[in-house]
Amino acid sequence: SQQGEEDPQALSIQEGENATMNCSYKTSINNLQWYRQNSGRGLVHLILIRSNEREKHSGRLRVTLDTSKKSSSLLITASRAADTASYFCATGIGDDKIIFGKGTRLHILP
Amino acid sequence: DTEVTQTPKHLVMGMTNKKSLKCEQHMGHRAMYWYKQKAKKPPELMFVYSYEKLSINESVPSRFSPECPNSSLLNLHLHALQPEDSALYLCASSQVPWGAFFGQGTRLTVV
Repeated sequence: SQQGEEDPQALSIQEGENATMNCSYKTSINNLQWYRQNSGRGLVHLILIRSNEREKHSGRLRVTLDTSKKSSSLLITASRAADTASYFCATGIGDDKIIFGKGTRLHILP
Repeated sequence: DTEVTQTPKHLVMGMTNKKSLKCEQHMGHRAMYWYKQKAKKPPELMFVYSYEKLSINESVPSRFSPECPNSSLLNLHLHALQPEDSALYLCASSQVPWGAFFGQGTRLTVV
């Protein structure tokens, strides 16, 4: 099952620019997580924001969560070529269920 | 050790074969997962084990059979698969309230 819808599906920006990806979901959640995946291999956990939090920062990442709108955004500042990857939001439901959204393919242009 | 190790990395099997995928973590995480991912699609949850007990089965066909022998190991037994089961199979572990650690996956081809 899936419940997250990412927007946009694909994004190309110049190196150094900021990249923003949005995620909407349907059910109540305990937390929302963002992951990165390079070239169809393992996913890397980037950041987790709890349902009672509104904003969280980690290095060049900024995540917001609006539970009233059931939406989240991921901002990557000062993008680098190494940020080229697919980014997925995932909803943490109940104790252990983690459901992934459709993902955004980010391409950083030199 | 913050790794989740999956073996094998690649597997080709016939539709009448029986094979197993293996996953190991030594982070003491209580939850372990199997996901299936097709090309250019998000990971789809298959199974969740919590404290070595199966807690979630997302209506996965019985030709996929999970097993959790102990708190560090997770297996996925495969039998009589179909070509459409070809995919990347990902194992993960997590400990609330943190996110999940993923292995590099097993790329499975059913011929």
